[in-house]
Amino acid sequence: DAGITQSPRYKITETGRQVTLMCHQTWSHSYMFWYRQDLGHGLRLIYYSAAADITDKGEVPDGYVVSRSKTENFPLTLESATRSQTSVYFCASSVERGAADTQYFGPGTRLTVL
Amino acid sequence: AQSVTQLGSHVSVSEGALVLLRCNYSSSVPPYLFWYVQYPNQGLQLLLKYTSAATLVKGINGFEAEFKKSETSFHLTKPSAHMSDAAEYFCAVTEGDDMRFGAGTRLTVKP
Repeated sequence: DAGITQSPRYKITETGRQVTLMCHQTWSHSYMFWYRQDLGHGLRLIYYSAAADITDKGEVPDGYVVSRSKTENFPLTLESATRSQTSVYFCASSVERGAADTQYFGPGTRLTVL
Repeated sequence: AQSVTQLGSHVSVSEGALVLLRCNYSSSVPPYLFWYVQYPNQGLQLLLKYTSAATLVKGINGFEAEFKKSETSFHLTKPSAHMSDAAEYFCAVTEGDDMRFGAGTRLTVKP
């Protein structure tokens, strides 16, 4: 199916474990983003990528690692999960970054860290 | 730096009543403004966006928003609420490269 997909949709893990959240888009958009959604905070940008092999930090990057070897994939890794990383994670993509360009969002991954 | 404030984390209306969701922004330059909607267990979908072409912006599902520079506001309205409008709504602003989201407003529609 065309669009932007995320997997898994739900994940429960334990403190200290490594977790990777996957994001895949079929539009060949240049830009991809990872956000976390927490009650009272809206969405906050973790990392973004302008193209394959080009990534940069967002507002809340600590504890996260990203890579982008292919245009269509943008995985997010929590190297050693902490309880504060319990959140809903959204991946998004867009043609350009900023200005009037629309971001298109995946369905989200709900992550619980015990 | 820009930011966006949504007044009211929860709004409840009766079916058929006016929907008004408030959004104020702070920006040193004219911004680009967005409203996104999030239905349960789904990602965000664009409702409408302001790109300086017209101050009154019409979006999908009968929603519209008006950009008021003097009030630094971009409130979202719909004349008659439908049960299917129950969702969380996010206002967002971009200035330069970053998109900043408000904390969200959860809309409940009562039968």
